[in-house]
Amino acid sequence: GQSLEQPSEVTAVEGAIVQINCTYQTSGFYGLSWYQQHDGGAPTFLSYNALDGLEETGRFSSFLSRSDSYGYLLLQELQMKDSASYFCAVRGSMDSSYKLIFGSGTRLLVRP
Amino acid sequence: GAGVSQTPSNKVTEKGKYVELRCDPISGHTALYWYRQSLGQGPEFLIYFQGTGAADDSGLPNDRFFAVRPEGSVSTLKIQRTERGDSAVYLCASADTEAFFGQGTRLTVV
Repeated sequence: GQSLEQPSEVTAVEGAIVQINCTYQTSGFYGLSWYQQHDGGAPTFLSYNALDGLEETGRFSSFLSRSDSYGYLLLQELQMKDSASYFCAVRGSMDSSYKLIFGSGTRLLVRP
Repeated sequence: GAGVSQTPSNKVTEKGKYVELRCDPISGHTALYWYRQSLGQGPEFLIYFQGTGAADDSGLPNDRFFAVRPEGSVSTLKIQRTERGDSAVYLCASADTEAFFGQGTRLTVV
């Protein structure tokens, strides 16, 4: 089967650092992506890891360990606008880059 | 256009009716994806187009669902004999080096 596990909710304080974990079990794996989605909005791309290690993009970083089937998204210097749902997604096909298998999402609440 | 456009933004229909959902991708994007998102869940893959052809329709739940992209640009997702379980947000994404999602069509079947 295909499954991705991530915490359902995380709460953090403005200015802090938060880590959202994702473990996956999929029949194919070609990379792990992270998307942000505000209520009523479109998912927007944040980060992508095809190889083990850390990718940094501004305040956001993403990590992947293929041997552990595990990744995380790290958000630094949290801002109120970061309150949203965050989804990890596995690229499960070599032929189509965006045939993605999504987790159920982590709802992040940033408090003042 | 500047982004992926989906129309209508909201659609309420009666059980058993036929609906069409439209997606206008970013100009020049050859890849187009349809996803379905239920409340509190992540998007679920439905179908993928490369140009005019459906390269992968393995996510379509049953034969009531069909999608076309006749000229390799605009795509229409068609649902026949709608059921209450079809209620969800239907998302379209187009891609070149990155996938860009539209705001979705919220379908409610009553």
